[in-house]
Amino acid sequence: DTGVSQDPRHKITKRGQNVTFRCDPISEHNRLYWYRQTLGQGPEFLTYFQNEAQLEKSRLLSDRFSAERPKGSFSTLEIQRTEQGDSAMYLCASSSGIGSVSGELFFGEGSRLTVL
Amino acid sequence: AQSVTQLDSHVSVSEGTPVLLRCNYSSSYSPSLFWYVQHPNKGLQLLLKYTSAATLVKGINGFEAEFKKSETSFHLTKPSAHMSDAAEYFCVVSANAGNMLTFGGGTRLMVKP
Repeated sequence: DTGVSQDPRHKITKRGQNVTFRCDPISEHNRLYWYRQTLGQGPEFLTYFQNEAQLEKSRLLSDRFSAERPKGSFSTLEIQRTEQGDSAMYLCASSSGIGSVSGELFFGEGSRLTVL
Repeated sequence: AQSVTQLDSHVSVSEGTPVLLRCNYSSSYSPSLFWYVQHPNKGLQLLLKYTSAATLVKGINGFEAEFKKSETSFHLTKPSAHMSDAAEYFCVVSANAGNMLTFGGGTRLMVKP
């Protein structure tokens, strides 16, 4: 399968614990995005990378959220000291980012976080 | 600033009847507009996109959408619904080169046999 893969697909944790999600984009894509989707809502943009550079991170929800893409390939999203309000689906997407806006992002199936 | 409003949270149609999912947008710049579909336990998939070319855009699976600047609308239509069309549909706007998409709240389409 050559699509965007995310791991784990489901994570249940206790409040206060740290969690990390991994995203493997389509191999030739240089842009990688993280979104959050809560129940009944559309996805909400969090951050994005072009290669290893994080070009936008002001939309990360708090300083407990951080993302990395150290070698310009896979990315990780970490949430420290989780809160019940962090329960959501975390979506990763990638795109080729060539030229002007194409808008076609290829999404993974998401990582669902439940904070007890 | 940009935003998207999907006017119906749920739409129910009978199989074989037309589908209309309504979307209004707001953007400070000339926007690019998209419709994405999300089937249960599947990733979001691009249905179609408008990027300032033809105002009537055709997408996959028989869907199309018309960009109307005067009405700031980008409604999604399909002449005849199929059971497999049942899913969540998102209208999306992008007004910058970073592909930072702004999603609407979604419309759940139900198709009755």
